Amino acid sequence: AAGVIQSPRHLIKEKRETATLKCYPIPRHDTVYWYQQGPGQDPQFLISFYEKMQSDKGSIPDRFSAQQFSDYHSELNMSSLELGDSALYFCASSPGRGPETQYFGPGTRLLVL
Amino acid sequence: AQTVTQSQPEMSVQEAETVTLSCTYDTSENNYYLFWYKQPPSRQMILVIRQEAYKQQNATENRFSVNFQKAAKSFSLKISDSQLGDTAMYFCAFSGGGADGLTFGKGTHLIIQP
Repeated sequence: AAGVIQSPRHLIKEKRETATLKCYPIPRHDTVYWYQQGPGQDPQFLISFYEKMQSDKGSIPDRFSAQQFSDYHSELNMSSLELGDSALYFCASSPGRGPETQYFGPGTRLLVL
Repeated sequence: AQTVTQSQPEMSVQEAETVTLSCTYDTSENNYYLFWYKQPPSRQMILVIRQEAYKQQNATENRFSVNFQKAAKSFSLKISDSQLGDTAMYFCAFSGGGADGLTFGKGTHLIIQP
């Protein structure tokens, strides 16, 4: 079965640089979620989209923005990167609005130097 | 806002034993789902089991089962005949209405000893 695809899988950036993470949901899933997981932490919800519209917002910094495109893929844009942004970033998708089971991608490991 | 509490930071059992991981939650919502996710050293988030709040019957998936006590807001995970591959971090998670993000507990690190 098709799974959630995230790219890149690993990313190394310098402080103050920008990064773009991409997420391709499971086919026919119209809801996408982004999470940030720091070392030894539980995942923290950042933002979600349903049918290309922002649906819910969590603890997403103002330096981050995201959108969902017409083909349902989503991109998380991160600017003015800080050392504390080093984390594992997950994308998850679900069919329709919640409560629904969210299926997670493999994550993007971001390291900010 | 919802909260999810896992009071066992780490547990260790012998292979083939049965182990129960605890989770409590707090919410004012009536329609919600509860999940257990497994995160092995690869850090992939793997769905173990889910429970819909409107269902009275406890969910079961092979060796994994839950004890869902809605009035007590308790949602424990039982792993029977534990295997070395069950070694992982286990997160309890809550999903409410709309496209809300999941609220996770802090996790329980389960170690299966040979």
